[in-house]
Amino acid sequence: GAVVSQHPSWVICKSGTSVKIECRSLDFQATTMFWYRQFPKQSLMLMATSNEGSKATYEQGVEKDKFLINHASLTLSTLTVTSAHPEDSSFYICSASGGGPKAGTQYFGPGTRLTVL
Amino acid sequence: AQSVTQLDSQVPVFEEAPVELRCNYSSSVSVYLFWYVQYPNQGLQLLLKYLSGSTLVESINGFEAEFNKSQTSFHLRKPSVHISDTAEYFCAVSDPGSSNTGKLIFGQGTTLQVKP
Repeated sequence: GAVVSQHPSWVICKSGTSVKIECRSLDFQATTMFWYRQFPKQSLMLMATSNEGSKATYEQGVEKDKFLINHASLTLSTLTVTSAHPEDSSFYICSASGGGPKAGTQYFGPGTRLTVL
Repeated sequence: AQSVTQLDSQVPVFEEAPVELRCNYSSSVSVYLFWYVQYPNQGLQLLLKYLSGSTLVESINGFEAEFNKSQTSFHLRKPSVHISDTAEYFCAVSDPGSSNTGKLIFGQGTTLQVKP
């Protein structure tokens, strides 16, 4: 299969603090990882695309200094929400794609529920 | 630019009845097509995909979808639904030839509500 994990599954933090979310591909090498945000009853909104060893490419309207993305290895990408505020509360989902049989398909993690008080 | 339209936001259906979730896309190039399912408070699970070859693709749990190039559609069907099929279903498209490394464009989602 193609297993992608996220940690933590949920997090509650105070306004002004930073939160790091990890995304790991467990059984394949992810050359590209994607970070999405999903609001209740809505579709996924792509925030950024990251390739291993390169800077992430952010979608229009996404603040790169607020949502820091690091893709340091072929199995790990992290999203850090800096100076979080209540409006950053959301469901964050990562996905990963790789080469070979995994090429052309994104495999999603279980998501992280962020609540900022 | 590519876009995906899921024509129904909600589809209520009784258990064991057939269901069709509609998906249309617009693209000037060849595409890859996907259906993902999302259960409450979970991530997305790949249901099935069309990359090339046979236009009819099937999943292991009884769903199927047919790629219709002339109608630019990729509707999802199941002949007999179960209560456990209640979930949100997303149709997505990507451009295999782009430099966007497999970027997905999602539809708005369809909520399938299976009633006993």
